[in-house]
Amino acid sequence: EDKVVQSPLSLVVHEGDTVTLNCSYEVTNFRSLLWYKQEKKAPTFLFMLTSSGIEKKSGRLSSILDKKELFSILNITATQTGDSAVYLCAVGSGGYQKVTFGTGTKLQVIP
Amino acid sequence: DTAVSQTPKYLVTQMGNDKSIKCEQNLGHDTMYWYKQDSKKFLKIMFSYNNKELIINETVPNRFSPKSPDKAHLNLHINSLELGDSAVYFCASRAPERRTGELFFGEGSRLTVL
Repeated sequence: EDKVVQSPLSLVVHEGDTVTLNCSYEVTNFRSLLWYKQEKKAPTFLFMLTSSGIEKKSGRLSSILDKKELFSILNITATQTGDSAVYLCAVGSGGYQKVTFGTGTKLQVIP
Repeated sequence: DTAVSQTPKYLVTQMGNDKSIKCEQNLGHDTMYWYKQDSKKFLKIMFSYNNKELIINETVPNRFSPKSPDKAHLNLHINSLELGDSAVYFCASRAPERRTGELFFGEGSRLTVL
């Protein structure tokens, strides 16, 4: 059974801090790893990674994938209260575009 | 123009009833999904369709029956509702991996079974 595990489950930081969120996976026939941010409604897409070692960046967010060790990290620098959300990691696998989500990390940024 | 739309957004019903949730996407994607999100925000895949054909069925009880009349629509019918079915159900469609591979989600349908 495909498995995606995120850590920590929750995190409270102060504005301006840097955070690192972790995602490890065990899936059959890995194809891609995706990061999502979920506030009150539907998850919104952040990144998709398919190759090891290539960092994806978008403003203060960045992510990297290690296909040998089967994990990814999501970094958020200079956190703001608007970064408070649940961050979801998902893995695309198999020949049929199965996308399995992790347990999520709840991030709270306090002023 | 909403890319993935679900109706209804809220559903409150009694145990034992049957209910349906509809989903439509106007993105031209071939692949659509149903996910169930519990109170701890865990998103569990239920079904996936590719061009109207069922390709993933993740050990979901037979009371749940998806239907895809065409590749832009994926509906979910639930028979004999149980308390444990209370959750938010998300429909999603996926862009091809050769592009972004992004999953586009609907706003969710919150089902409450009393």
